[in-house]
Amino acid sequence: AQSVTQLDSQVPVFEEAPVELRCNYSSSVSVYLFWYVQYPNQGLQLLLKYLSGSTLVKGINGFEAEFNKSQTSFHLRKPSVHISDTAEYFCAVSPISSNTGKLIFGQGTTLQVKP
Amino acid sequence: GAVVSQHPSWVICKSGTSVKIECRSLDFQATTMFWYRQFPKQSLMLMATSNEGSKATYEQGVEKDKFLINHASLTLSTLTVTSAHPEDSSFYICSARKSLSGGVGYEQYFGPGTRLTVT
Repeated sequence: AQSVTQLDSQVPVFEEAPVELRCNYSSSVSVYLFWYVQYPNQGLQLLLKYLSGSTLVKGINGFEAEFNKSQTSFHLRKPSVHISDTAEYFCAVSPISSNTGKLIFGQGTTLQVKP
Repeated sequence: GAVVSQHPSWVICKSGTSVKIECRSLDFQATTMFWYRQFPKQSLMLMATSNEGSKATYEQGVEKDKFLINHASLTLSTLTVTSAHPEDSSFYICSARKSLSGGVGYEQYFGPGTRLTVT
């Protein structure tokens, strides 16, 4: 079985400051990793994904994440945030061996960007 | 791109009535779609996996007779909440599965969600 833990439920940060949203996972099998963003009353939008290869993954809106296999982490970072980045962020994993592509989500982190 | 739509975006119904929510993949075919439920300030809870041409697979604790899923075509899955009650009020989100390039694994594309309020 897999589980995903997002260590911070809320992250307040000032505009133009850097931010890191933490994600750790537990799995007995290899997984793909994803970060999604959800704006109020909307569905989820894919920010980035790690499938294989380079452990540093770049996504949309200036976000990037680094896969650390030894620490089973996939932390999301942005060097300078904007007010428009205020949203809910979800980390998710999907077992590589899965024949359904089922996603297991973390609890979510609310990023609050202050002016 | 890969666009998924949901209809309606919001619906209010009276207790005891049934409500149908549609999920469509607009520019790709999806043999598998997923239905999630999300409570305020919480994560997505997978309700069921919808498979085209066959019965849906429900997660433990989800009443299959209450949440009827039909996946009649490669671009459409429907979720019907039967005999809705106020506790069914929630945000329902669907996603459609698309194969990743190279045929290795899958990616999910999400609809915008449907806000259901049962009075």
